[in-house]
Amino acid sequence: AQSVAQPEDQVNVAEGNPLTVKCTYSVSGNPYLFWYVQYPNRGLQFLLKYITGDNLVKGSYGFEAEFNKSQTSFHLKKPSALVSDSALYFCAVRGEDNYGQNFVFGPGTRLSVLP
Amino acid sequence: EPEVTQTPSHQVTQMGQEVILRCVPISNHLYFYWYRQILGQKVEFLVSFYNNEISEKSEIFDDQFSVERPDGSNFTLKIRSTKLEDSAMYFCASSGALTSGETQYFGPGTRLLVL
Repeated sequence: AQSVAQPEDQVNVAEGNPLTVKCTYSVSGNPYLFWYVQYPNRGLQFLLKYITGDNLVKGSYGFEAEFNKSQTSFHLKKPSALVSDSALYFCAVRGEDNYGQNFVFGPGTRLSVLP
Repeated sequence: EPEVTQTPSHQVTQMGQEVILRCVPISNHLYFYWYRQILGQKVEFLVSFYNNEISEKSEIFDDQFSVERPDGSNFTLKIRSTKLEDSAMYFCASSGALTSGETQYFGPGTRLLVL
């Protein structure tokens, strides 16, 4: 069975500081990992994904994520946080044997960037 | 940039009533999904749909739920007899292919409140 954990409900960071939002996963076979962001009253917006290849993936709005197979992690990072990055962040996973192709989402992490 | 749209944005209904949530997926996408997010909880997969058939459904998607693609553009989720616990945000998503690495693009959601 697939599962995703986001160990922090809330992350607070000062504007201009680096941010990290953590994600760990469990799947059978190779993982396909995604990050989505949800702004208030909006849908889920795709940020980035890891399928294969380079462990460091770059995505929208200056975000990047690092895939670590040994730690089964896919942490989201940004070198310098903006107040506008404040939102709810979801990590999602899909296993290579998931024929229905649905995502399993983590519980979400609320990021607050303080001015 | 093409996007998934959903109507209505909000729906209030009485317990036992039928509701139909509508989605217009991205025009050249062939794979469609419904997810729901109960307030404060994680995003949960309901159903995936391809070629006018359900590909996969979760245990949440019981006989009260149905999906349909009535024409070339709309994708609907019907809840036949709503319960209080159906109150949630419902997200439609679409993707262009059925591979594990394919990104799903989400609509803004319909907030359903069952009284």
